[in-house]
Amino acid sequence: AAGVIQSPRHLIKEKRETATLKCYPIPRHDTVYWYQQGPGQDPQFLISFYEKMQSDKGSIPDRFSAQQFSDYHSELNMSSLELGDSALYFCASSLVPKDTQYFGPGTRLTVL
Amino acid sequence: DAKTTQPTSMDCAEGRAANLPCNHSTISGNEYVYWYRQIHSQGPQYIIHGLKNNETNEMASLIITEDRKSSTLILPHATLRDTAVYYCIVRARFGNEKLTFGTGTRLTIIP
Repeated sequence: AAGVIQSPRHLIKEKRETATLKCYPIPRHDTVYWYQQGPGQDPQFLISFYEKMQSDKGSIPDRFSAQQFSDYHSELNMSSLELGDSALYFCASSLVPKDTQYFGPGTRLTVL
Repeated sequence: DAKTTQPTSMDCAEGRAANLPCNHSTISGNEYVYWYRQIHSQGPQYIIHGLKNNETNEMASLIITEDRKSSTLILPHATLRDTAVYYCIVRARFGNEKLTFGTGTRLTIIP
């Protein structure tokens, strides 16, 4: 079965640079969620989208923004990167907002 | 969402049943119990969920007590590939959609 696709899988950036992470949900899933997992920590919710509209927001820094496009893929844009942004970033999708979330393999972002 | 309490770590012998407990004493009537696991920095993997009845799928069984204040995830025949961090998450059926991960249980399957 098709799964959530994330790209790139690994990304290395310098401080103060920008990064864009992409998420392609499971076909027919219209809801996308982003989570951040720092080293040794548990995943933390950042933001979610349903039908291209932001539906919920967690502890997402103002330097981060995200959107969902007409084909339901989503992009997480991160600017003015800091060392503390080094983390795994997971995208999940669900058929409808209250349904089970299925996670992608993640993007490992390293900020030097 | 209600908070959950899980043991920090557990060991289980390969081939035996692994029973992972979770306490969610403040769960409300319209909240589901979800279980996910994360194998070494991979994306969290959905295992099973339930509202009040026991549930079983190809991966595991979920036993929810009658008062719904606790549950147990059962992996019937644990293999080395089941070594992972297991998260018990209570999630509202209506309202906030996000998953709130606690610290989970680190399950180690011993050969």
